[in-house]
Amino acid sequence: SQKIEQNSEALNIQEGKTATLTCNYTNYSPAYLQWYRQDPGRGPVFLLLIRENEKEKRKERLKVTFDTTLKQSLFHITASQPADSATYLCALDGWSSASKIIFGSGTRLSIRP
Amino acid sequence: DAMVIQNPRYQVTQFGKPVTLSCSQTLNHNVMYWYQQKSSQAPKLLFHYYDKDFNNEADTPDNFQSRRPNTSFCFLDIRSPGLGDAAMYLCATSSDPTGGYEQYFGPGTRLTVT
Repeated sequence: SQKIEQNSEALNIQEGKTATLTCNYTNYSPAYLQWYRQDPGRGPVFLLLIRENEKEKRKERLKVTFDTTLKQSLFHITASQPADSATYLCALDGWSSASKIIFGSGTRLSIRP
Repeated sequence: DAMVIQNPRYQVTQFGKPVTLSCSQTLNHNVMYWYQQKSSQAPKLLFHYYDKDFNNEADTPDNFQSRRPNTSFCFLDIRSPGLGDAAMYLCATSSDPTGGYEQYFGPGTRLTVT
């Protein structure tokens, strides 16, 4: 069955450093990979989408890479701030309406001042 | 602002007592989803509507039902809640059910079963 693994349940880094979160998957060939942010007690908020034929996508301080050979996506937050502290979910997405988005359980990121 | 609204934000029900959670959207999206999320776990898709077409996930218990009376509203009915159904229930929408479309989530309803 399809499986998504996000690195370590929690990641703690110093403010100003680059946070790197990992999403690995097996038994799936996603056409897209999405990243969401989820704050405690709230619904996820969409951040970025990357297509299988794209290697990298950027949005402000965020950068996502997608390696379909390694079956891995990396999510980077540069110049991290305490306000970036949240849980980040990756999600695999297929081509058709028959496929559905499959979410990972997330990595809880804490940025300390 | 266009958004996804869920009511109530917190719901307490008794074991076995039917409960209904509601979701409304002002985005005019064709697709509405219901997810169940337990603490530190991934959101788990229960079912979704594409317009009026209902799509149930194979592993969604029969205890969970849904209604979509119009484009804007969708309801989740739990017929006989068990203690294991305590969770956050998330409603989401998207403009298209095919891949590559972001989902817009509501704030969720936290369900407690006593």
